[in-house]
Amino acid sequence: GAGVSQSPSNKVTEKGKDVELRCDPISGHTALYWYRQSLGQGLEFLIYFQGNSAPDKSGLPSDRFSAERTGGSVSTLTIQRTQQEDSAVYLCASSETSGGSPYEQYFGPGTRLTVT
Amino acid sequence: ILNVEQSPQSLHVQEGDSTNFTCSFPSSNFYALHWYRWETAKSPEALFVMTLNGDEKKKGRISATLNTKEGYSYLYIKGSQPEDSATYLCAFDAGNMLTFGGGTRLMVKP
Repeated sequence: GAGVSQSPSNKVTEKGKDVELRCDPISGHTALYWYRQSLGQGLEFLIYFQGNSAPDKSGLPSDRFSAERTGGSVSTLTIQRTQQEDSAVYLCASSETSGGSPYEQYFGPGTRLTVT
Repeated sequence: ILNVEQSPQSLHVQEGDSTNFTCSFPSSNFYALHWYRWETAKSPEALFVMTLNGDEKKKGRISATLNTKEGYSYLYIKGSQPEDSATYLCAFDAGNMLTFGGGTRLMVKP
């Protein structure tokens, strides 16, 4: 079956512009997660969704970052007024649920964002 | 902020060598410990999800152990092959989100 997909795979944008990153989770997965990996850093949690709601937004680095999920499926991560420090690989993952038994998270291929 | 540490940061071994690396994590609020393998230009791939103290899991030549009381997990690779070259990540699961360690980058020379 289809895995997690993300688009675009690469995005180069100018400082100050807004960008939208998209994630299509595995069908039927109710939990969806966003992470990022900046150069030389580990994976950093940003936000997760259980269904369409985001119980934990604590990982979003600033109020320029927002995310939404509609229909319990596709999610969009939006970065407004991008800064050079936003350059990173943004990874999306999905799992069967969050809470209850711990499930494996399945990761997408990532979006490499470069802010010039 | 949760502290999840992995050591060593990187490791170079010869084909056929066995190797192991460590993940340390908080011993409180433990829900599960995940191991992932991340090859360059690919997505992280789940290896194990471990929940019980003393648990040991195995997948082919790779195995992992878990000690939740002292807060550590070991990942072992027996008879390393060049295709094992990747970054191995552990992640502490507190029940809703994963906190990843910095990873151990393994390079296996033929």
